[in-house]
Amino acid sequence: NAGVTQTPKFQVLKTGQSMTLQCAQDMNHNSMYWYRQDPGMGLRLIYYSASEGTTDKGEVPNGYNVSRLNKREFSLRLESAAPSQTSVYFCASSESGQANTEAFFGQGTRLTVV
Amino acid sequence: GENVEQHPSTLSVQEGDSAVIKCTYSDSASNYFPWYKQELGKGPQLIIDIRSNVGEKKDQRIAVTLNKTAKHFSLHITETQPEDSAVYFCAASQAYQLIWGAGTKLIIKP
Repeated sequence: NAGVTQTPKFQVLKTGQSMTLQCAQDMNHNSMYWYRQDPGMGLRLIYYSASEGTTDKGEVPNGYNVSRLNKREFSLRLESAAPSQTSVYFCASSESGQANTEAFFGQGTRLTVV
Repeated sequence: GENVEQHPSTLSVQEGDSAVIKCTYSDSASNYFPWYKQELGKGPQLIIDIRSNVGEKKDQRIAVTLNKTAKHFSLHITETQPEDSAVYFCAASQAYQLIWGAGTKLIIKP
């Protein structure tokens, strides 16, 4: 059982380039999330999808877009990367859209924007 | 909105001793408080959680206590082992989101 799978694991972008981070889960979860993790700041929610067909902004959505492609897949797009977006990105899923259920995380994508 | 503060940022304990990590939150409406463990190169993993209708919960060597009046909750790890070395995060629920603390790096000295 793979759980939550993120691709790629590492990426280096030049300022202004675009890219899409992919995430897929095989646990039949309804809700999916994208977080960024920066040193000394914990995890901050970028966007979430409480259920298939819905997406909502989190704490730090600026500069990002998301697509809930189907129940399994939730992608994060950077249209014009900036050095401030250098971070480790985590995708997560949970059974329900409420915050009071266990979230399962992928292994992360380390993104560097130069 | 919710704000979660976590202390200490780094904690070094002798193997076999106990470790305590503390968090405070600001929103009295928060009702769910999980603790996640993150090992190097991996995503966070839930180790224990507590809901606002209980004051304490235990799972083997791990326990969490919650003081709703003071708006703080703590993680207690007893008889620490080398595999407990990791970064630990607390979080508090706010509607559909979790608000996370900044993390505590726990170092177990042999």
